[in-house]
Amino acid sequence: DAKTTQPPSMDCAEGRAANLPCNHSTISGNEYVYWYRQIHSQGPQYIIHGLKNNETNEMASLIITEDRKSSTLILPHATLRDTAVYYCIVRAGGSQGNLIFGKGTKLSVKP
Amino acid sequence: ETGVTQTPRHLVMGMTNKKSLKCEQHLGHNAMYWYKQSAKKPLELMFVYSLEERVENNSVPSRFSPECPNSSHLFLHLHTLQPEDSALYLCASSQGGTGGGNTIYFGEGSWLTVV
Repeated sequence: DAKTTQPPSMDCAEGRAANLPCNHSTISGNEYVYWYRQIHSQGPQYIIHGLKNNETNEMASLIITEDRKSSTLILPHATLRDTAVYYCIVRAGGSQGNLIFGKGTKLSVKP
Repeated sequence: ETGVTQTPRHLVMGMTNKKSLKCEQHLGHNAMYWYKQSAKKPLELMFVYSLEERVENNSVPSRFSPECPNSSHLFLHLHTLQPEDSALYLCASSQGGTGGGNTIYFGEGSWLTVV
């Protein structure tokens, strides 16, 4: 079973920041937080991941709370092409750190 | 373009047919995966190969048979499938084994319809 809880859907206005929350209250010390997104009929696209510190790349920022029990993915300037299902996944380190997908958040970016 | 290429993108097969899905990764990775995504269900891990050795088989029926001839190629051989096996089959790869800090990259998937 997925170890994360996400809202099933969110709306965001085009050009505004999209803030997608994720709860992972049972996360272990060696588990990473990963974010992927899936646009309809395509394979999941990697966005960003982190362990303890906040992370930023060209796509998004990841804010992880100090207790690591929750995180927020931030898309700074959402566009219509960011409409997708966003998955927050905790993934163990070690030899069997496989991705276990939940239902994700359907983000709809509106003009 | 993710560096993971799957063929064919769409496949229709009868229940008595034998077909194969092919995956090739151009990222120099040494771990490869098959996932299945059925309609309105989360992605499910099927098989994991690390350094060409199968390290995980997630209780998948024997009508699905994976093959990893080298670290760049992965096949999923299909035979006597059922209509409920119709789904999107996704290949993925990662570097440095299957550990949690090694990002997994997915292909675009192969849509399979069993008639």
